Amino acid sequence: EVQLVESGGGLVQPRGSLRLSCAASGFTFSTYEMNWVRQAPGKGLEWVSYISSSGSTIYYADSVKGRFTISRDNAKSSLYLQMNSLRAEDTAVYYCVTGYFDYWGQGTLVTVSS
Amino acid sequence: EIVLTQSPGTLSLSPGERATLSCRASQTVSSSYLAWYQQKPGQAPRLLIYGASSRATGIPDRFSGSGSGTDFTLTISRLEPEDFAVYYCQRCGSSPPYTFGQGTKLEIK
Repeated sequence: EVQLVESGGGLVQPRGSLRLSCAASGFTFSTYEMNWVRQAPGKGLEWVSYISSSGSTIYYADSVKGRFTISRDNAKSSLYLQMNSLRAEDTAVYYCVTGYFDYWGQGTLVTVSS
Repeated sequence: EIVLTQSPGTLSLSPGERATLSCRASQTVSSSYLAWYQQKPGQAPRLLIYGASSRATGIPDRFSGSGSGTDFTLTISRLEPEDFAVYYCQRCGSSPPYTFGQGTKLEIK
């Protein structure tokens, strides 16, 4: 059974940093492309970032480019999102999602507030 | 950037009725790269349809997708109580951004 478990969310002050992790199991992680998708409270879905299976190709939404960094450790079956210079508008549930958007984690809430 | 506009914003129907949800793109979208998701309160989205018309694993056949170019449709042939949720379309594929529509809320009338 495919499982994606996010962690690392919490309350952070504006201009602060946070690192999200996603532990994957039940599939061969090293062969899967991966994404982060977020959802602000009461709002719709926003794609955040993509990483290829090897990590050699990375994309970001314009809203996070230059502030967020996606990475992965295939040996640990883990996906990461380093978030710097956080803003109030980054407040959202962050989902770890497989490359074809067929499997989603349950999400981790990031709240940016003073 | 391709913008996806979903209509209506809210759809009020009764169990047993047919639901038709629309997703219109600002530019042509390859049918291979149009997906639909269902999201219930407090849950992660679930993939329903990929490639505009292919049902994901385990999705009942009352859900169907159609369309091409800039106009796509999700149809639920006969609504079950568990189908009342928010539905999103998405343009995925080979080049980002992988934008979502703003969603259609399907509510019980």
